[in-house]
Amino acid sequence: GAVVSQHPSWVICKSGTSVKIECRSLDFQATTMFWYRQFPKQSLMLMATSNEGSKATYEQGVEKDKFLINHASLTLSTLTVTSAHPEDSSFYICSANGGLSNGKTQYFGPGTRLLVL
Amino acid sequence: GENVEQHPSTLSVQEGDSAVIKCTYSDSASNYFPWYKQELGKRPQLIIDIRSNVGEKKDQRIAVTLNKTAKHFSLHITETQPEDSAVYFCAASPSGSARQLTFGSGTQLTVLP
Repeated sequence: GAVVSQHPSWVICKSGTSVKIECRSLDFQATTMFWYRQFPKQSLMLMATSNEGSKATYEQGVEKDKFLINHASLTLSTLTVTSAHPEDSSFYICSANGGLSNGKTQYFGPGTRLLVL
Repeated sequence: GENVEQHPSTLSVQEGDSAVIKCTYSDSASNYFPWYKQELGKRPQLIIDIRSNVGEKKDQRIAVTLNKTAKHFSLHITETQPEDSAVYFCAASPSGSARQLTFGSGTQLTVLP
C-alpha cells in the first residue's frame, strides 16, 4: 500500500516551454501532497504544499507563477513549470501522506528529471 | 521555522561494522522524525520513524533514538552490508495538520566490502 507514481520520469525540453509533471497516489487518497526539488548531491527542498480543492502553499522564494500547482482530486496533483529555463533543470519529487492512522508518513514518487536546453 | 542539521555528510565503514548518523532539530514542537534512504537516481524510501512519545525504536538492524530534551535523534545501523550504501536523510515534522517535513542535508554512507 501507499504507492505514489509520478509521470514523466524524464523530460527534456527547450527553453521557454512549459512542462507538466503528474503525481498520483495509487492506492490511497491524499488530501495533501508535497512537491520537492533536489539538485545533485543535495537535500530535498520543499517547494510547495498541495491541498486538494484549494490553493497551494508555496515556500519562501518559490515563484507561484512559475511553478503552478493544481490538486484537482484526492489522487492527483500536478506541477507545471512555466517558461522553463536551464536553471530549472533539476530532479522534482512529489510525496503524499499515506494511510489513515499514520497521517504523518510521507511516501515519495519516483521523481521526474527535468533538463531544459 | 524548523531547522534540521545532519552529521556527518559522508561516512565510510567496513562491512559488518556499525554506522551512526546524527541529527539535531530546532523546533521543540516537532513530534515526528522519519529517516529516509535514497539510492542514486531513486526515490527516498522510508526506513524507520519515531514519534516524540518514545525514546527508541528498533527494526532488525536499524534503530533510531530520540532525545527530546537535547533535540537530537540518531540512526544506528548494525552489521552493515554493501547494500546499505546510499544517502540517508533525517527529517522532522512539527505538530499540527501541515504534516510538512524539514530534511537534513543528507549523509552519504559507503559500506566497504
